[in-house]
Amino acid sequence: EAGVVQSPRYKIIEKKQPVAFWCNPISGHNTLYWYLQNLGQGPELLIRYENEEAVDDSQLPKDRFSAERLKGVDSTLKIQPAELGDSAVYLCASTEGRGRDIYEQYFGPGTRLTVT
Amino acid sequence: GENVEQHPSTLSVQEGDSAVIKCTYSDSASNYFPWYKQELGKRPQLIIDIRSNVGEKKDQRIAVTLNKTAKHFSLHITETQPEDSAVYFCAARDNQGGKLIFGQGTELSVKP
Repeated sequence: EAGVVQSPRYKIIEKKQPVAFWCNPISGHNTLYWYLQNLGQGPELLIRYENEEAVDDSQLPKDRFSAERLKGVDSTLKIQPAELGDSAVYLCASTEGRGRDIYEQYFGPGTRLTVT
Repeated sequence: GENVEQHPSTLSVQEGDSAVIKCTYSDSASNYFPWYKQELGKRPQLIIDIRSNVGEKKDQRIAVTLNKTAKHFSLHITETQPEDSAVYFCAARDNQGGKLIFGQGTELSVKP
C-alpha cells in the first residue's frame, strides 16, 4: 500500500512569490491534515479536513495561506505571498477515522520550503 | 487548549542501555497518545501508541506507560541500538476533533 505522497520535496522561492504544495493521502483515508514543522520542533497543525470539509482551520494564517480538498481526496496548500518566516517543512498526514474516532495518523515525507 | 511538555530535549546513551523519554499533558480529556520517530530529513513514523483506557503497552524493545491521574506518559526503549538514534516526538490527541498536539522532541543518540 502506498503511503502519503507529497510534492515537491523541496522548494526554494524568493519572498513575496507564491508557492503550492500537493498531498495525496493513503487510499480510503477520510481525514487529511497539513502540519508545519520548524527546525527542531514538533509538527503544528495548520488545517484538518474530513473528506472535503475543513473542520479545523483555526491555526491557518488566512491572510496568506489557503488550502483546498475539492473532491475529498488529494489536497493543495498555498502560500501567497511567501515570507522569510515561512521557511519550514510542510507535512501532510492522513488517517482512516474522523471526528472522535481514534485511528493512527500517517505522515508524508514533507516539502521543505526555503524562502530567500 | 492542550499543551504537551517533553523531556529531555537531548539524550545520549550507550548501546545496550535503556532510554526513557517523558511527556506531560494538560487536558485530562485527551484520549490517545502516539509516539513518533523522525530521522534526519525523513517523515515522522509512528512507533507505538496508547489509548487512555490502557496503562501500558509493549512492542518488542519499545514500551509506553500512561498515568492518567498524573497526566504523564513515557516511552521506554530497552537494549538500544545505534539505529534507534533519531528525534522522538510524543503527542496527545484532544477528545473533540482529533488534533494531535506534539511535544518539542527528544534527540536520542545511541553510541556504539
